[in-house]
Amino acid sequence: DVKVTQSSRYLVKRTGEKVFLECVQDMDHENMFWYRQDPGLGLRLIYFSYDVKMKEKGDIPEGYSVSREKKERFSLILESASTNQTSMYLCASSPGLAGIRETQYFGPGTRLLVL
Amino acid sequence: SQQGEEDPQALSIQEGENATMNCSYKTSINNLQWYRQNSGRGLVHLILIRSNEREKHSGRLRVTLDTSKKSSSLLITASRAADTASYFCAPNSGYSTLTFGKGTMLLVSP
Repeated sequence: DVKVTQSSRYLVKRTGEKVFLECVQDMDHENMFWYRQDPGLGLRLIYFSYDVKMKEKGDIPEGYSVSREKKERFSLILESASTNQTSMYLCASSPGLAGIRETQYFGPGTRLLVL
Repeated sequence: SQQGEEDPQALSIQEGENATMNCSYKTSINNLQWYRQNSGRGLVHLILIRSNEREKHSGRLRVTLDTSKKSSSLLITASRAADTASYFCAPNSGYSTLTFGKGTMLLVSP
């Protein structure tokens, strides 16, 4: 079974802190994604990556950056956390055989609270 | 990327009843996927139906696709309390990423 893990289930940070959210997948998937999910807004794509060291902006990249130094790991970075980044963050991966539009496998999510 | 719109926003039924939720989209697709999300967890892929398929089954799940109406439906038969979750559709067209809507929240009461 595909396993996508996220470094924390819950995280509390202060405004202005630099925050790292880590995601690891164990199935040699090419594509990895970061979403945030907010009540009433659904899931919104922040960034995705289709290869090591490659990244593409999603719908809401402002205030975020990403890093993919190894195939299995995709990190989301909040350079200076703000209260409006309080959210549920979901990581996902997909095999890459048919591009970025195929079935995605999600991690359990990280609920981030920025005070 | 295009976003599917799930309907209804919320659905409340008793155990043993069937649950039907719908998804509408705007442009032509290659496939359409359905996902489930239990409260506070990640999404889980349920089923993928391709544009040349009209119906697909997986256990108690039945998905239909009507490309002429640009709509899909997900039927869960003989619902159980464990089916309580949010359900999302993701219509997939071209080479864009998946876009998830706001989902249908299903509550199955014992």
